[in-house]
Amino acid sequence: ILNVEQSPQSLHVQEGDSTNFTCSFPSSNFYALHWYRWETAKSPEALFVMTLNGDEKKKGRISATLNTKEGYSYLYIKGSQPEDSATYLCAFRRVNDMRFGAGTRLTVKP
Amino acid sequence: GAGVSQSPRYKVTKRGQDVALRCDPISGHVSLYWYRQALGQGPEFLTYFNYEAQQDKSGLPNDRFSAERPEGSISTLTIQRTEQRDSAMYRCASSPGTGAYEQYFGPGTRLTVT
Repeated sequence: ILNVEQSPQSLHVQEGDSTNFTCSFPSSNFYALHWYRWETAKSPEALFVMTLNGDEKKKGRISATLNTKEGYSYLYIKGSQPEDSATYLCAFRRVNDMRFGAGTRLTVKP
Repeated sequence: GAGVSQSPRYKVTKRGQDVALRCDPISGHVSLYWYRQALGQGPEFLTYFNYEAQQDKSGLPNDRFSAERPEGSISTLTIQRTEQRDSAMYRCASSPGTGAYEQYFGPGTRLTVT
């Protein structure tokens, strides 16, 4: 069974708070780890693709790290804004398939 | 440029009918992925293509589901003898290369089987 776990399931923070959440995945047969931002009723929007152990990627206030040996990735949002409210999905890719986690639903209150 | 497009956007069909869902990837994108997404859930991988070659179809739920991409561009996901449990959002995504590239998702086709 290929389990991709995300925690927490949901998160409520105040505007300006920094936050982070976790994606756990199998440490074998790793090919890539994807992060997406998804607003309900829209399509998932790609944030990062990471392939190497120790990778760190950054886009504006959002950054991510990757540890393939222990099977986890962190997504960080610095100074959360209400427009960051969305579900953040990670997806673990082996060569020929891809498994998504259930997502972390972030709500940022003004 | 144009993003990934899917048609129809909404499809209501009666149980037992066949449906064909179409995906137009971003021009030049070589990889194309199909996903099914239940309400409020993350996407569930179904299958994917590099060019016209189907790489893996282990995610297809059963043999009523099939997909093709005969010329390495447009793809069709076909569901035969639809059942109510097939009701979901069907999304496709494309990426510019066969490796670990970002995937760009289409708007999805909302399928309802009555």
